[in-house]
Amino acid sequence: DAKTTQPNSMESNEEEPVHLPCNHSTISGTDYIHWYRQLPSQGPEYVIHGLTSNVNNRMASLAIAEDRKSSTLILHRATLRDAAVYYCILGYGQNFVFGPGTRLSVLP
Amino acid sequence: DAGVIQSPRHEVTEMGQEVTLRCKPISGHNSLFWYRQTMMRGLELLIYFNNNVPIDDSGMPEDRFSAKMPNASFSTLKIQPSEPRDSAVYFCASSLNGRAYEQYFGPGTRLTVT
Repeated sequence: DAKTTQPNSMESNEEEPVHLPCNHSTISGTDYIHWYRQLPSQGPEYVIHGLTSNVNNRMASLAIAEDRKSSTLILHRATLRDAAVYYCILGYGQNFVFGPGTRLSVLP
Repeated sequence: DAGVIQSPRHEVTEMGQEVTLRCKPISGHNSLFWYRQTMMRGLELLIYFNNNVPIDDSGMPEDRFSAKMPNASFSTLKIQPSEPRDSAVYFCASSLNGRAYEQYFGPGTRLTVT
């Protein structure tokens, strides 16, 4: 399985944008890039996914490098409710592996 | 939508006892996943089903663990006999048409084996 590298933790101020990076230099051509997040004491929650082009949805934006070896999850305006562990995952089909993720703290 | 439903939410049992965890996926979803989360190992995929059929159980730790999906609306994960190292939060997730990139997770079952 292709691996991802994320910072262990990040901090952001409330109402500011947050850019969460993910490196995946061994990504294959068929691997999608997925992002999930896990709020405290809850199950993981799907955030966004993409293959080559940048993607936007109501929760976040996903910016994918042209060579696909890295990507960035963008929260346009962080709120206290966005404090969570964010997982960047590569996969195709049904089997993918959650890494340790990035713990995002949002300061009021 | 009710979301994925798991029961019980908390389970405390003694070593050697049988434990059964239950999951009801979102109606219409035909893929179901069982995960285990611990501080040491993070979130691990144990097994997943497509159309009630187990597709990959390579993540199941050992023969003490078994999972079934008798119909599209119900799955169980059984541990027999349970051991203290099985203590973890167990999550069930479901998705539509095997789309792993859009899994919906349940609230989890926190299992403590003493």
